[in-house]
Amino acid sequence: GAVVSQHPSRVICKSGTSVKIECRSLDFQATTMFWYRQFPKQSLMLMATSNEGSKATYEQGVEKDKFLINHASLTLSTLTVTSAHPEDSSFYICSASQRTGQLLHNQPQHFGDGTRLSIL
Amino acid sequence: SQQGEEDPQALSIQEGENATMNCSYETSINNLQWYRQNSGRGLVHLILIRSNEREKHSGRLRVTLDTSKKSSSLLITASRAADTASYFCATDAVGSARQLTFGSGTQLTVLP
Repeated sequence: GAVVSQHPSRVICKSGTSVKIECRSLDFQATTMFWYRQFPKQSLMLMATSNEGSKATYEQGVEKDKFLINHASLTLSTLTVTSAHPEDSSFYICSASQRTGQLLHNQPQHFGDGTRLSIL
Repeated sequence: SQQGEEDPQALSIQEGENATMNCSYETSINNLQWYRQNSGRGLVHLILIRSNEREKHSGRLRVTLDTSKKSSSLLITASRAADTASYFCATDAVGSARQLTFGSGTQLTVLP
């Protein structure tokens, strides 16, 4: 089955550090990947849609300069949390759908295992 | 994006019993999906039901969809301790670029 690998699984760093999280589709091509944020005991909130070869689309309230997204290939999207602060501590999860010739719905998304980010 | 609501927020049952979770949403949808999340892990896709479908089965899972009421339910039959997890519904809204809007989730605990 389709596998999405997310790395690292856990990051602990000091305030002011920039942190990069990678999301890879291992056995399929993903034109579009999605980045979510999840606080403890809460649901997933979509942060942005990452499109291969073009700019990401950010949800309202998400700072694009704070959360930099790069989708340079059909199998890799990265999320960089710039100058992270304690309030950025959260669980970040990416997902991807298999590439299709057109924008098709009714396909499941495949999720990475998430990255636990802790800013001291 | 507006989150959907799920109920109950938490459910605790004995092994062998059935578990039912409900989900309500607000928009017109292409499909509704159910996912499972073990603590501190990513999400695992369980089942997808299209907007023109009313019921779907997969193993011990049964999903219903009522688009007139904008609601869905997930039934897990003959539950096992290993079913303990959080369960989320997610909608793929009409007009969306395949983004999913997740419900608030149900924490299921199956006691051995």
